[in-house]
Amino acid sequence: GDSVTQMEGPVTLSEEAFLTINCTYTATGYPSLFWYVQYPGEGLQLLLKATKADDKGSNKGFEATYRKETTSFHLEKGSVQVSDSAVYFCALSDLSFGNEKLTFGTGTRLTIIP
Amino acid sequence: DAGITQSPRHKVTETGTPVTLRCHQTENHRYMYWYRQDPGHGLRLIHYSYGVKDTDKGEVSDGYSVSRSKTEDFLLTLESATSSQTSVYFCAISAEVADSEQYFGPGTRLTVT
Repeated sequence: GDSVTQMEGPVTLSEEAFLTINCTYTATGYPSLFWYVQYPGEGLQLLLKATKADDKGSNKGFEATYRKETTSFHLEKGSVQVSDSAVYFCALSDLSFGNEKLTFGTGTRLTIIP
Repeated sequence: DAGITQSPRHKVTETGTPVTLRCHQTENHRYMYWYRQDPGHGLRLIHYSYGVKDTDKGEVSDGYSVSRSKTEDFLLTLESATSSQTSVYFCAISAEVADSEQYFGPGTRLTVT
């Protein structure tokens, strides 16, 4: 079945540091890939997505490129801020077999210190 | 912000009691989902709905049932709550299948003692 593997956290960085959160996936078809973010005490919200190989999703300074050859969708940001502290979830949807739902990774907690 | 509310936001209940959580949307979206969030597991799908009276099981559906009698409401019922069902429950909606964005509610923290 489909699965998503994220780097384990927590991750702690200083403000303005470079961020990478690794995500790899296993899917039987041609999935769409997502990054969701959860701020403290809130529900998840979509950060970015990519629907086909080599697509790059971007939002709020975050980027991720859909790499089919390495089955990866790593999240990057060049200079993090304290306000980026949150839990980040990688997810996929695979409609190839009528699978109408998202499969999530376990989440990576990110803390940015001033 | 998408119009999704969940009620109650917090609940403490005893083992063996029935519990119903409500998700209400004002977006007229076709798809609705119930997830649970637990440390080390991320979000896991319990049940989902693709229309009024149309529901299907997710990966962790045992011990849960759902109903959707109106487009705007999706109810999750724990027939006889157990301590293993202590969790944070999130409702989500989407206009199309999962390829499009899912919008999440604020969550319900349920504690079963």
